[in-house]
Amino acid sequence: GESVGLHLPTLSVQEGDNSIINCAYSNSASDYFIWYKQESGKGPQFIIDIRSNMDKRQGQRVTVLLNKTVKHLSLQIAATQPGDSAVYFCAEILSGGSYIPTFGRGTSLIVHP
Amino acid sequence: SQTIHQWPATLVQPVGSPLSLECTVEGTSNPNLYWYRQAAGRGLQLLFYSIGIDQISSEVPQNLSASRPQDRQFILSSKKLLLSDSGFYLCAWSVPGLAGDNEQFFGPGTRLTVL
Repeated sequence: GESVGLHLPTLSVQEGDNSIINCAYSNSASDYFIWYKQESGKGPQFIIDIRSNMDKRQGQRVTVLLNKTVKHLSLQIAATQPGDSAVYFCAEILSGGSYIPTFGRGTSLIVHP
Repeated sequence: SQTIHQWPATLVQPVGSPLSLECTVEGTSNPNLYWYRQAAGRGLQLLFYSIGIDQISSEVPQNLSASRPQDRQFILSSKKLLLSDSGFYLCAWSVPGLAGDNEQFFGPGTRLTVL
């Protein structure tokens, strides 16, 4: 996994653009993945999840893509809005294990009006 | 419905003073409980997790400790705070063993500043 000690990468987009946030996970045996959104001064909130038997899952304005071959996860946000500005974390979980998620280091999304 | 509470929301403490942060969960039984720390502009660092009363696992050596005196209560403590203990402390819970539903639910967090 990626170190939690590093500063967060930042993605800046214009309102209305589509955003793509990427995450590399570490354990090829992980079979459940979650994207969280954390607004400033608040706890992370669940956005969308995907199991390893799927390649793609869509929600409202968000899509998660999973590429198990290269252990890569992405979150696509359509028509990004200022309210989407936040830090986004991916988490990988090995079901049947300790259920302790491993979090990626996060990406700060800044949406300019 | 389930809710998770943390208090206090913000705390300013001098170096060397003790610490006690409390987290409680409502609406569920026997949850897994977690304490995370998040330094400014950084990711989540798992400090402790608990699968049951008085069952605590520590992930990172430090001057902090955790206790779970009741099923839905999780306490983070320190006898003597260090400057490096400053950060945003998050409590979270998850339902153990529920296949396909392993997400964590986070509390609102406590902002700790050690001066």
